[in-house]
This record gives sequence, C-alpha cells and structure tokens, in this order.
Amino acid sequence: TQLLEQSPQFLSIQEGENLTVYCNSSSVFSSLQWYRQEPGEGPVLLVTVVTGGEVKKLKRLTFQFGDARKDSSLHITAAQPGDTGLYLCAGEGGSYIPTFGRGTSLIVHP
Amino acid sequence: NAGVTQTPKFQVLKTGQSMTLQCAQDMNHEYMSWYRQDPGMGLRLIHYSVGAGITDQGEVPNGYNVSRSTTEDFPLRLLSAAPSQTSVYFCASSPQTDFNQPQHFGDGTRLSIL
Repeated sequence: TQLLEQSPQFLSIQEGENLTVYCNSSSVFSSLQWYRQEPGEGPVLLVTVVTGGEVKKLKRLTFQFGDARKDSSLHITAAQPGDTGLYLCAGEGGSYIPTFGRGTSLIVHP
Repeated sequence: NAGVTQTPKFQVLKTGQSMTLQCAQDMNHEYMSWYRQDPGMGLRLIHYSVGAGITDQGEVPNGYNVSRSTTEDFPLRLLSAAPSQTSVYFCASSPQTDFNQPQHFGDGTRLSIL
C-alpha cells in the first residue's frame, strides 16, 4: 500500500497569513490531486499535477509536484476565512486505486 | 444538474441490522466508487466499479457488498452492521478510469451503529 503523509494535521491561522501544507510519500506517484472538503460536504477537486517539478496556480493557491514525484505542496498566500476546510491529497500509483492522505484541517480566523 | 446524490444523509442502526446506502449520478460517468471517512484517517476506498456489471474491492471491503446494474446507480449494502462501521460514507463518480479525471463526490451519508 502506498502511503501519503500530510503535514501539519491541524493549522489555525489569522486572516492574511501565508501557509504551506505538505504531502509526502516514499513511493513514486504518476500524478497527484489536491481536494478541499468543507464541513458536511464531499471533497472538491482543486488541481491535478502530473509532471515532476510542475507548478500550478489557482488564484492565491500554488501547488507544486516534487521533481521525483514523491511529494507535493500547497501554498496559500494571504489566507481568507473562505479557505477554511480540510485539504486532502490523493495519489495514483498506476492501479487506478487512489490513495488519500489523512488531510490537513485548516481554520482561518477573521 | 444534480451530480452525485446520496441517500439517506443520516442513519442510526443497531448492531446486526442491514441497510443499503444509495448513490445515483446523472452525468453518465463510467467509474463509481465508495469511500469511508473516519476522523484522522482520510478517505479509504471500499468498493469501486468501472462500468455497469463490473465491481471490484478496494482497500477496506469486508462487511460491505455492492452491485452496478445500471450506469447511474451504485448502492452499498451493509450486511450485518457493526459499531466499527460507524463512519461517514462518500460516493464518487468520474467520466472514465483515468485518475487525471476529477472525481465528483456526493455530500455523504453519516452512519452511526449502536
């Protein structure tokens, strides 16, 4: 079983701060996805990264896939209360059975 | 466009009871799957289907059955509920068996087993 370790597990910050969430594995993934889940709802896909070293931006969110395709990061600039939620990474190792990390719970205080 | 619809949203069962969690999608997606989400455990795949008539086991299939008689529906059956099956269950679908295609999730069924 390929494992994805997410850190930190919990993050509580003030509006306007920057933050980075990490998703690490000892295994190589052919691609990796980031989801955000709000309370009482299902996860919603934010981005898919496929190429080692790839960087994708989604407004204030910057996603990076490691060169060796074993890790990824999500950086949020000037966090807002609307960014509050559970951030999940999911990797695909070739069998189409996705592996999810345990998630990072983010709270942004006004 | 409803997307992925799960029913019921909440359910309380007694140990040993059986029930079916319903999942329907109206996007004509081939791939459907069931996950359970427990605190601190992320999402774990229970069963999945790559098309009507085809199902397969995921990471944690024990105690659950599925069937896929139509493209739209993918029900999850608990045969004899146990307290360890208390969880939030999510159904998801995607256009094809390609990880790079986004999975669309329902809003979940919150299940408590007493």
